[in-house]
Amino acid sequence: GAVVSQHPSWVICKSGTSVKIECRSLDFQATTMFWYRQFPKQSLMLMATSNEGSKATYEQGVEKDKFLINHASLTLSTLTVTSAHPEDSSFYICSAREGSGDTDTQYFGPGTRLTVL
Amino acid sequence: GQNIDQPTEMTATEGAIVQINCTYQTSGFNGLFWYQQHAGEAPTFLSYNVLDGLEEKGRFSSFLSRSKGYSYLLLKELQMKDSASYLCAVMDSNYQLIWGAGTKLIIKP
Repeated sequence: GAVVSQHPSWVICKSGTSVKIECRSLDFQATTMFWYRQFPKQSLMLMATSNEGSKATYEQGVEKDKFLINHASLTLSTLTVTSAHPEDSSFYICSAREGSGDTDTQYFGPGTRLTVL
Repeated sequence: GQNIDQPTEMTATEGAIVQINCTYQTSGFNGLFWYQQHAGEAPTFLSYNVLDGLEEKGRFSSFLSRSKGYSYLLLKELQMKDSASYLCAVMDSNYQLIWGAGTKLIIKP
């Protein structure tokens, strides 16, 4: 099946620094990528939707200047957490969708655990 | 390698009961999640099992057997709105999520 990877798997950083998380579709071209945040044992909160070559669409309540998303190619999207604070510590998961319809399958990445000290 | 298997598609009748199975082979185990995802929407959390046994939550129940690497999601009194994809995901020893491909559940009147 289709594979989505994330890098890094784990990151620990100091408060005030920026962290970049990569999401790659390894064997297909992803026209759309999604970024989620998971709180312990809870739902995935959609943060933003990114389409290749265009600006990301952020969900209500998500600061676009804090969570910078770049979808530079059909196989790579990056999420940069700028000026990270301890409350940004979370599990960030991306998913990638091949195709353009709502019924197309999303493939999920393994997640990146961010800890801000 | 790590692997999660679940059926690609299932069909059931409104008012009936359906069981969606999930088998896994992972390096370590830190819990199993079930999510429901309607087309075009974000996944919704249904259940989290880390100990063996059955957990019931309304019309939905989830079962886990760690020794068998097996879980199922049981949906009772099916409603048309239950038509969705159901995703099984296991958190491995590195706290990474390994995802199944999802089971598309079709409910017929």
